Amino acid sequence: DIQMTQSPSSLSASVGDRVTITCRASQSLTKYLNWYQQKPGKAPKLLIYASSTLHSGVPSRFSGSGSGTDFTLTINNLQPEDFATYYCQQTFSTPRAFGQGTKVDIK
Amino acid sequence: QVQLVQSGGGVVQPGRSLRLSCAASGFSFSDYGVHWVRQAPGKGLEWVAVISHDGSNTYYEDSVKGRFTISRDNSKNTLYLQMSSLREVDTAVYYCSKDRGYGEYEPFDYWGQGALVIVSS
Repeated sequence: DIQMTQSPSSLSASVGDRVTITCRASQSLTKYLNWYQQKPGKAPKLLIYASSTLHSGVPSRFSGSGSGTDFTLTINNLQPEDFATYYCQQTFSTPRAFGQGTKVDIK
Repeated sequence: QVQLVQSGGGVVQPGRSLRLSCAASGFSFSDYGVHWVRQAPGKGLEWVAVISHDGSNTYYEDSVKGRFTISRDNSKNTLYLQMSSLREVDTAVYYCSKDRGYGEYEPFDYWGQGALVIVSS
């Protein structure tokens, strides 16, 4: 099974900051890495799929990059509504493993 | 619009059974693979199971194999998760979700609202 490792597990940032979250897979995913945002008490929302494709309706301040085993989610100009927990997920193979999450809170 | 509406959560004693349902609308349910994902209190997301669009293929996370059964009724546009021999570690919010497309590597683009399952004596 593929293992997913996110870093950091949490970070503090201010509105307007640029935030970077990384995700590493235990084996190559080619490009099949997705990012989700989850707010407390709510279901996750798809942000980016296939490493860098923005899901419909997601603001362009979110971007993704990477291939193989190393991937990055970048949030430019952090907005108040972006404070949440972010998860990476691989869909290269089953089980469809998630990373452990990165909580972004207000500095 | 696409909706996944869940029902069936609750409190159950260890060793007992519970069935979750996920009613789909707003899309052609029989065309998409669908999944169950769970989240223990204060913890991260854990993928649980998937069923193919026609129900012919199913896969499970190791800890639920032999205890949980994923199924679907395409005539009723409904996904199910039958959970048996429940353990306290199965306590979680359970989400249903759908594949974004028809391919092998699809992300999960829509999610249900979640159903809380508490396993406790």
